[in-house]
Formats: sequence, structure tokens, C-alpha cells
Amino acid sequence: GNSVTQMEGPVTLSEEAFLTINCTYTATGYPSLFWYVQYPGEGLQLLLKATKADDKGSNKGFEATYRKETTSFHLEKGSVQVSDSAVYFCALRAGGGNKLTFGTGTQLKVEL
Amino acid sequence: DVKVTQSSRYLVKRTGEKVFLECVQDMDHENMFWYRQDPGLGLRLIYFSYDVKMKEKGDIPEGYSVSREKKERFSLILESASTNQTSMYLCASSLSGGAIQPQHFGDGTRLSIL
Repeated sequence: GNSVTQMEGPVTLSEEAFLTINCTYTATGYPSLFWYVQYPGEGLQLLLKATKADDKGSNKGFEATYRKETTSFHLEKGSVQVSDSAVYFCALRAGGGNKLTFGTGTQLKVEL
Repeated sequence: DVKVTQSSRYLVKRTGEKVFLECVQDMDHENMFWYRQDPGLGLRLIYFSYDVKMKEKGDIPEGYSVSREKKERFSLILESASTNQTSMYLCASSLSGGAIQPQHFGDGTRLSIL
């Protein structure tokens, strides 16, 4: 079946540090890949997506590249801010329909 | 902007009660979803619906049922609540179609079963 594995958190960084959150997946066929973000007390918001191999999704300074050879979709940001503190979820969609398979989430804490 | 509204942010119920969680979306989306979110487990799909009166089981449907009588509303029902159903419940909706359509989420209902 389909699955998503994320690095465990919490990840604690100082402001302006470089961020990487690892995500690898197992899926049949050619999945689409997503990163969602959940700010405290809110639901999830789509952060970025990639639909085929070598695509790069980007938004708000975050980037992730769809790597088929390593089945990975790692999230990166060059300089994090306190306002980036949230839980980040990697997800995939495989096959037809619009069902998503989520990872367990990685909490990011950014300190001054 | 798409708005997905869940009727309660916090809810406390007793074991054995029948519990209704309501979700309404205002963008004429065909697909609607119910998830539960638990620490260390991420989001798990309970049920989803791709049209009025249509429903499909997700990964963890046991102990739950759903109702979709109108396109904009998707209800999650706990037939006889149990303590292991204490969780955060998230509703989402999306368009259908060939293009990749993102899911839009409500703010969640934190349900405690005592």
C-alpha cells in the first residue's frame, strides 16, 4: 500500500537557520506529492505540490523537489522565521480519486 | 477563498452517546473528507464522499458513519461514542477533475469522550 515517512520532531531552529524536513514515500505508479502546514489552532493549508518527477514545488520561500530515484520530497527553506513555527505534513496522492495519504507530521519550532 | 466550517471547535460527550460532527463548505466542491488527527499517527482518513448521498470508507471507518444529504454539508456520526474516539477531527473538501485539486481544511473539532 501507499505510505509516507517523515522525520520525527520536534525540530528546533534559530531564526534565519536553514531548514530541511525529510520525507520519503512508497507508492504504486506515479504519485503526486504535497506539503501541508498546520499553524497552531488551525486546520491544514496546502504549502506546495509537485505532480511529476523532477518537478519543484515552491511557496513562501519553501521548496521541495520530487525525486523519483530516491522516492523523496524533502522540504527546505533557506532562512526560517519565528512565524514558520508549525506542524508540517508530507502527503501523496496515488491512482484515481482525490484521497491523500499523510505522514505523521513534523513539528518545527523557530526561536529568536 | 474557500471556507470549510466545522460546527464546533471543542466538544465534550459521554461514553455511549450518539455524536454528530458537522462540516459545511461554501465552494460547491464535489469531494468531502473526514480525518482524525492523533499525535504520532498523523491524519487518518475515516470516510469520504464524492457526491451527494455517496460515501466510501477510508482507512479507519469502524465506529463511525457519515451522511451527505446536501452537496455543501458532510456529517460525521459516532453511533455510540467510546473513549478511544477522543481525538481532533478534521473536515476537508476539494474539487473533482483531472487536475490535481488541493484539499481545503476546516479548523478542526477537538472531541473528548468521557
